[in-house]
Amino acid sequence: GNSVTQMEGPVTLSEEAFLTINCTYTATGYPSLFWYVQYPGEGLQLLLKATKADDKGSNKGFEATYRKETTSFHLEKGSVQVSDSAVYFCALIPPSPGGSYIPTFGRGTSLIVHP
Amino acid sequence: DSGVTQTPKHLITATGQRVTLRCSPRSGDLSVYWYQQSLDQGLQFLIQYYNGEERAKGNILERFSAQQFPDLHSELNLSSLELGDSALYFCASSVGHRGYEQYFGPGTRLTVT
Repeated sequence: GNSVTQMEGPVTLSEEAFLTINCTYTATGYPSLFWYVQYPGEGLQLLLKATKADDKGSNKGFEATYRKETTSFHLEKGSVQVSDSAVYFCALIPPSPGGSYIPTFGRGTSLIVHP
Repeated sequence: DSGVTQTPKHLITATGQRVTLRCSPRSGDLSVYWYQQSLDQGLQFLIQYYNGEERAKGNILERFSAQQFPDLHSELNLSSLELGDSALYFCASSVGHRGYEQYFGPGTRLTVT
């Protein structure tokens, strides 16, 4: 079946540090890939997406590149802020000729940014 | 604010009981998704409805059922509740049926005692 593996957290960084959160996946065919962010007490919000190999998704200083060769979609940000403290989820939706687009989420990685 | 509303925000009930969670999607969205989030299992997709019809089914127990009404709001019914059903239940909506941009509600926290 399909699966998403994320690095375990928490990831603890100082403000302005570089962020990488690793995400690898297993899926049939070429899925679409997503990063969602969940702030404390809230629902998930779509952060960025990539729908085909070599696509780069970007938003709010975050970016991730769809790497087919390594089946990865690592999230990066050059300079984190305290306000980026949240839980980050990597997700995939596989191609579905039959019409059911069933999403699979990773376990989430908690990011804590200190001033 | 995602535009997706869920009620109630919190629900405390006893084992063996039945509850109904409600979700109103963003205006114009035809798809509704239900998810269960727990520390043990992470975020699990339960079921999707698109324009009133069941579209996709995930790890949904037989004790759970859902429906989407003509006004596109959806309800998730949980019956014969067990302690292990305690979790956050999220609803999300999207315009189309592929779910490439899903908007999540704030969730309903269910506690089964």
